Amino acid sequence: GAGVSQSPSNKVTEKGKDVELRCDPISGHTALYWYRQSLGQGLEFLIYFQGNSAPDKSGLPSDRFSAERTGGSVSTLTIQRTQQEDSAVYLCASSYRRGGGTDTQYFGPGTRLTVL
Amino acid sequence: AQRVTQPEKLLSVFKGAPVELKCNYSYSGSPELFWYVQYSRQRLQLLLRHISRESIKGFTADLNKGETSFHLKKPFAQEEDSAMYYCALSGYNTDKLIFGTGTRLQVFP
Repeated sequence: GAGVSQSPSNKVTEKGKDVELRCDPISGHTALYWYRQSLGQGLEFLIYFQGNSAPDKSGLPSDRFSAERTGGSVSTLTIQRTQQEDSAVYLCASSYRRGGGTDTQYFGPGTRLTVL
Repeated sequence: AQRVTQPEKLLSVFKGAPVELKCNYSYSGSPELFWYVQYSRQRLQLLLRHISRESIKGFTADLNKGETSFHLKKPFAQEEDSAMYYCALSGYNTDKLIFGTGTRLQVFP
């Protein structure tokens, strides 16, 4: 079946502009995760959704970052007033959260964000 | 603090040589440990997890709680093993993955 999809694949924006990144998880997956991959930083956790609620937002780097999930499916990560340090690849993953232990997370192809 | 350390940014070997990608972790409690792999122009995917105790594509990894390590090993590297490898941990019921910075494995013919 279809895997996790993300759009756009590439986004170039000017400093100070707002951007929206979209993630379509695998159908039936109740858990959705956002990660950021910066040069030399590895992958950093941003936020986790279970259904439409976000029990763990601890990785969001500032209040310029927000995310929502509607209908237990699509999620949008919004970055307001983008800064150059926001340039990174933003990865989305989903899993079928059965409770207890960690289920396999399936990753999307990522959105490469470049802030000029 | 929860942390995953992969000390090598790059590991280069010749085909047929043994490979060991190092991973150390810091976690208070009993973590789950994973290895993820990203081949060129492909998405990040799970390679193996410690609770499965499997060998995937000839790779194995043993969790050593005393040394807080989860090194990835393969006795004979193949060219198709060239990729970026990430070690990650998760705590029971915490869901999020904490990744190391990754090791690029290059296998030369």
